[in-house]
Amino acid sequence: QKEVEQNSGPLSVPEGAIASLNCTYSDRVSQSFFWYRQYSGKSPELIMSIYSNGDKEDGRFTAQLNKASQYVSLLIRDSQPSDSATYLCAASGGSYIPTFGRGTSLIVHP
Amino acid sequence: EAEVAQSPRYKITEKSQAVAFWCDPISGHATLYWYRQILGQGPELLVQFQDESVVDDSQLPKDRFSAERLKGVDSTLKIQPAELGDSAMYLCASSPRFQETQYFGPGTRLLVL
Repeated sequence: QKEVEQNSGPLSVPEGAIASLNCTYSDRVSQSFFWYRQYSGKSPELIMSIYSNGDKEDGRFTAQLNKASQYVSLLIRDSQPSDSATYLCAASGGSYIPTFGRGTSLIVHP
Repeated sequence: EAEVAQSPRYKITEKSQAVAFWCDPISGHATLYWYRQILGQGPELLVQFQDESVVDDSQLPKDRFSAERLKGVDSTLKIQPAELGDSAMYLCASSPRFQETQYFGPGTRLLVL
């Protein structure tokens, strides 16, 4: 069974710090990886996708992928209280059916 | 900006009753997904459509759940009869053909009493 594992948290960081969110996946054929942000009571919103090993940066967000270690991470620089949400990691093996982790709760305190 | 539409946004029902949820994907998106998300967990795929065809419904409890996308555009998810354990957020998402980036609708929050 395909699994995506995330620490449920909460991860608490001070405003302005770097938040590091981690995710591991079990299916070695996974090729596409996604990070979604979900505010309480709302639906998931895509933040970033990554397909190749290495880093991908978009504004304050950096996604990192290491296929050998089956590991994906999301770094949020200069964290803001508005970044407080649950972050969902998803992996897809090319069947267009992604598997989601349970999410990590992030709290950014002033 | 185009969005996925869902209705209703909230639904309260009693167990053993029937409920139905509607989803209208972003125009032109061939792939449509229905997910169930229980509080504190990630979304769980119930059914995936490519146009009007079911691609995957292996996790759909077919004794009580049904889904259709008759004309390959909007879709309906039905539960009959509803059970207490069905209380959850039901999310619809769509994506362009052969792309894996999903765009989620606002969801329908179901409470079964």
